[in-house]
Amino acid sequence: AQSVAQPEDQVNVAEGNPLTVKCTYSVSGNPYLFWYVQYPNRGLQFLLKYITGDNLVKGSYGFEAEFNKSQTSFHLKKPSALVSDSALYFCAVRFLMDTGRRALTFGSGTRLQVQP
Amino acid sequence: AAGVIQSPRHLIKEKRETATLKCYPIPRHDTVYWYQQGPGQDPQFLISFYEKMQSDKGSIPDRFSAQQFSDYHSELNMSSLELGDSALYFCASSSGLAGRVESTDTQYFGPGTRLTVL
Repeated sequence: AQSVAQPEDQVNVAEGNPLTVKCTYSVSGNPYLFWYVQYPNRGLQFLLKYITGDNLVKGSYGFEAEFNKSQTSFHLKKPSALVSDSALYFCAVRFLMDTGRRALTFGSGTRLQVQP
Repeated sequence: AAGVIQSPRHLIKEKRETATLKCYPIPRHDTVYWYQQGPGQDPQFLISFYEKMQSDKGSIPDRFSAQQFSDYHSELNMSSLELGDSALYFCASSSGLAGRVESTDTQYFGPGTRLTVL
């Protein structure tokens, strides 16, 4: 079965420093991978996705993610963190060849705290 | 740009009551998904519809039902509410690309309906 793991409940980083939010996945075929961000009392906002092609995917608000097939990882990165990036980040996977599932399976979420 | 609309945003019900949540997808999106996010939990897939037909079913209780209408909006009907049903319910929509499994559609989420069962 497909699964996604976010090993860190919380990541703390100082404003201006680079940030990384980790995600690993487990699927038996080619994965579709997504990152969403959730602000308090708000819905999930789409940041970026990997389907195929370049391993480095660029998304909204200066975020990017690197797909690493050998390490089955899809870490979210940003070169310079902003206080306004503080939120809850979810990694999700959509399994390509599973004819029964077109929905997303989410990781447990990582809370990013950017200190001024 | 138009986003997914959900109503109501907040709902308070008593145990054993019923509730109806509504979702209006992004214009020209033909696929709707429902997710449930419990306190401190990740979103869990409940059910989805493509072109007004149920396409996938997740961990939706038998007490819940849903449908998609001719204008593509969807309603989640919840009966015999329990305390454990208190959660944030999200609707997401996507363009299903004729329902092909290999579709690369991105799901765009609404703001959610916060249901509190007392």
